[in-house]
Amino acid sequence: AAGVIQSPRHLIKEKRETATLKCYPIPRHDTVYWYQQGPGQDPQFLISFYEKMQSDKGSIPDRFSAQQFSDYHSELNMSSLELGDSALYFCASSLDGTSVDYNEQFFGPGTRLTVL
Amino acid sequence: LAKTTQPISMDSYEGQEVNITCSHNNIATNDYITWYQQFPSQGPRFIIQGYKTKVTNEVASLFIPADRKSSTLSLPRVSLSDTAVYYCLVGDPQYSSASKIIFGSGTRLSIRP
Repeated sequence: AAGVIQSPRHLIKEKRETATLKCYPIPRHDTVYWYQQGPGQDPQFLISFYEKMQSDKGSIPDRFSAQQFSDYHSELNMSSLELGDSALYFCASSLDGTSVDYNEQFFGPGTRLTVL
Repeated sequence: LAKTTQPISMDSYEGQEVNITCSHNNIATNDYITWYQQFPSQGPRFIIQGYKTKVTNEVASLFIPADRKSSTLSLPRVSLSDTAVYYCLVGDPQYSSASKIIFGSGTRLSIRP
């Protein structure tokens, strides 16, 4: 079965550089979520999109932005990178909960971002 | 979203049954209880979800008492590959704007040979 695809899987950047992470949800899934997981920490919700519109916002820094495109893939743009941005970034997708019994989220393998 | 409390860590041995209990005293009427599993450097994976009584699938069982203020994830005959962090979540899955997952401190389960 198709899973969530994230690219790149690994990314190394210098401080103050920019980075773009991509997420391709499971086909027919209309909702995408982004999570950040720092070393030894639990995943933290950043932002979500439903049908290409932002549906919820969590602890996402102002330096970060994201969008969902017409083909439902999503990109997380990160600017002015800081050392503290080094983390695993997970994308998850689901089918909107209003149409199914429960909106199980399917997580991708993550992008490991290292800021030097 | 209802707050959950679960043990920080647990140890067990291969072949044993492991039960992880989660407290959620403020669970709302429409809330479901969901468990996710996360292996190191991998994305969390849905294990099981339930509303009341008992739910069983090929991976685990979920026991929910009548008052729903707690729940127990049961892993039968664990193996080394069950070593992971287990997260208990409570929320209304049909309320899309609340469908983000707020991960609390999960239970770090270590299985020994």
